[in-house]
Amino acid sequence: DGGITQSPKYLFRKEGQNVTLSCEQNLNHDAMYWYRQDPGQGLRLIYYSQIVNDFQKGDIAEGYSVSREKKESFPLTVTSAQKNPTAFYLCASSDLFYGYTFGSGTRLTVV
Amino acid sequence: GEDVEQSLFLSVREGDSSVINCTYTDSSSTYLYWYKQEPGAGLQLLTYIFSNMDMKQDQRLTVLLNKKDKHLSLRIADTQTGDSAIYFCAELRANNAGNMLTFGGGTRLMVKP
Repeated sequence: DGGITQSPKYLFRKEGQNVTLSCEQNLNHDAMYWYRQDPGQGLRLIYYSQIVNDFQKGDIAEGYSVSREKKESFPLTVTSAQKNPTAFYLCASSDLFYGYTFGSGTRLTVV
Repeated sequence: GEDVEQSLFLSVREGDSSVINCTYTDSSSTYLYWYKQEPGAGLQLLTYIFSNMDMKQDQRLTVLLNKKDKHLSLRIADTQTGDSAIYFCAELRANNAGNMLTFGGGTRLMVKP
């Protein structure tokens, strides 16, 4: 079955560490997105990519980095510059006309 | 604040109808969507409506679109406890980078037995 997979489901980060969240899709979608969701809040866009080897900053890109070397993959790195990284991270992909398909999310906690 | 507005919370009794409302701002939006998010999970697409439609029905779900007022609603008939979740509306907008969804802040639906 086609879908979008995020891993790991839970991730713990020590202060000062970089961590990378994985997002893989086999839907042949061109566009991919990363969102951050804080408790009781909506979605905030971190980065998005409309095509391979190209990506754009969203509303809250500071402290995050991404790459898009393959169509199927859009990993997100949470760097030590992100001062409050504890949140639920959602990845999505899109064929632009039928909405986004979301992964099941990664919950990141700073310990 | 968000351009797509939703009320934060709705509580209904099991078996009643639920109506979740949303207002949006871009009159050129072509598609509007409703997503459901259960605790600790991603967002699941429930339904969408094209902007030239007034209504779309899919089993227990009815979507109403008032383009003049830029108002979208989702009605869930015979609401069940399994419908308890956060519901997000979203509009498809065009920008310099292409088409993207803009999400509302979500409405938390609580269904009481």
